[in-house]
Amino acid sequence: AQSVAQPEDQVNVAEGNPLTVKCTYSVSGNPYLFWYVQYPNRGLQFLLKYITGDNLVKGSYGFEAEFNKSQTSFHLKKPSALVSDSALYFCAVRANNAGNMLTFGGGTRLMVKP
Amino acid sequence: GAVVSQHPSRVICKSGTSVKIECRSLDFQATTMFWYRQFPKQSLMLMATSNEGSKATYEQGVEKDKFLINHASLTLSTLTVTSAHPEDSSFYICSPKRGGTEAFFGQGTRLTVV
Repeated sequence: AQSVAQPEDQVNVAEGNPLTVKCTYSVSGNPYLFWYVQYPNRGLQFLLKYITGDNLVKGSYGFEAEFNKSQTSFHLKKPSALVSDSALYFCAVRANNAGNMLTFGGGTRLMVKP
Repeated sequence: GAVVSQHPSRVICKSGTSVKIECRSLDFQATTMFWYRQFPKQSLMLMATSNEGSKATYEQGVEKDKFLINHASLTLSTLTVTSAHPEDSSFYICSPKRGGTEAFFGQGTRLTVV
């Protein structure tokens, strides 16, 4: 069985400061890892993914994530937070043979204050 | 990215009535559709997987007679919440399966049962 943990329900950061949203995972075999963002009453928007290759993945809106196999982590990062980044962020994983069915973490609410 | 249309985006219904949610893949054919449910302040949980031309597969704890899924064509899947109760109030999101590594989601439907 695959699982995802996002240990922080909420992350607060001041605008202009770097942000990190944590994610750890458990899956059999090689993982496919994803980050999605959700704004109120909206569907999920894709941010970035790790499939293979470089451990540092760059995605939309200046976000990036680092795959760490030994720590089974895939933390989301951004060098300088914007107020408009405030939203709900989900980490997701699937095994490479599980089709498109994803297992999501519990979500982390990011609050960026001016 | 793939275009997925989910309708309605928001619906309010009375207890005991039924509500139908439609999910269309506009630019590709999907033999499989994933339906997720998200309760307030919680993550997305897979409810069921529908397959074109055959019966859907429901996750443990999801009542198949309450959440009727029809996947009659390769571009349309519907989820009908029958005899709705206030505890069915939730955010429902579809995700058609497509080749490749990335999953695509509909905009979501906010169901409120009063």
